[in-house]
Amino acid sequence: DTAVSQTPKYLVTQMGNDKSIKCEQNLGHDTMYWYKQDSKKFLKIMFSYNNKELIINETVPNRFSPKSPDKAHLNLHINSLELGDSAVYFCASSQAQDQPQHFGDGTRLSIL
Amino acid sequence: SQQGEEDPQALSIQEGENATMNCSYKTSINNLQWYRQNSGRGLVHLILIRSNEREKHSGRLRVTLDTSKKSSSLLITASRAADTASYFCATEVAGTASKLTFGTGTRLQVTL
Repeated sequence: DTAVSQTPKYLVTQMGNDKSIKCEQNLGHDTMYWYKQDSKKFLKIMFSYNNKELIINETVPNRFSPKSPDKAHLNLHINSLELGDSAVYFCASSQAQDQPQHFGDGTRLSIL
Repeated sequence: SQQGEEDPQALSIQEGENATMNCSYKTSINNLQWYRQNSGRGLVHLILIRSNEREKHSGRLRVTLDTSKKSSSLLITASRAADTASYFCATEVAGTASKLTFGTGTRLQVTL
C-alpha cells in the first residue's frame, strides 16, 4: 500500500551507460515531480508533470528525459551517465499545485 | 541560488526539551512548507502555512511565518528520540505554482 514507490532503490552503473528510474503513485494525484538530492542533502526540483503534461523543466542537461505514460506514473531516463549524476533521486506527487507533496523513498544512483 | 536557509545547521537536545528551527527566504511566496527526512528515507510533509497566515499548529508542532522578515520557525515541543531527523523548509515562490525551493536543512538529534 505504498503511496509513492520508486524502483530501483539502488542503482550502481558505469559512466556512459543509460539507465531509467520508475515512479508510481497510488494516491490519485494529478501532479508528479522529480528531485535530485546531492551529497550535502540539498534538494532541487528537476521536472514536474500535471496530468501527463510537463509544467516545470528546470535547467537540467538534455541527457535527462522524463516520461509520463499516465497520471500515476512518471519515469526518468538518463543517457550517457556522468560522475556528477551520482545523487539520490526522489519522485513526489501532490493532489494539485499548491498542495503538500508526498515523496518516495528515493533511488540512490552511484556512477563508477 | 538557494531560496531558503535553515538555522541552525545542526541541533542536539535531550528528550523532553523543545527544538526550534528557523528558515529565512529571499522572495515573495505563496506558501511555506516544512518537511522531515529520516536517514535513508524520503521527505514527509509536516505543515503548510500560506502567506496570509501567521501561525499554525499540528500536534507537537508549531509553525510561525513572518512575511515582513521573510522568515519562519518550526517549534517541536516535548521532543522524542523518534524526532531525530533532518528538517527542511520549502517555499513556493509567488508566481511559480507547484515549484518548491528547499532550504539547506537542520539536522536534529534527540538523545535519551
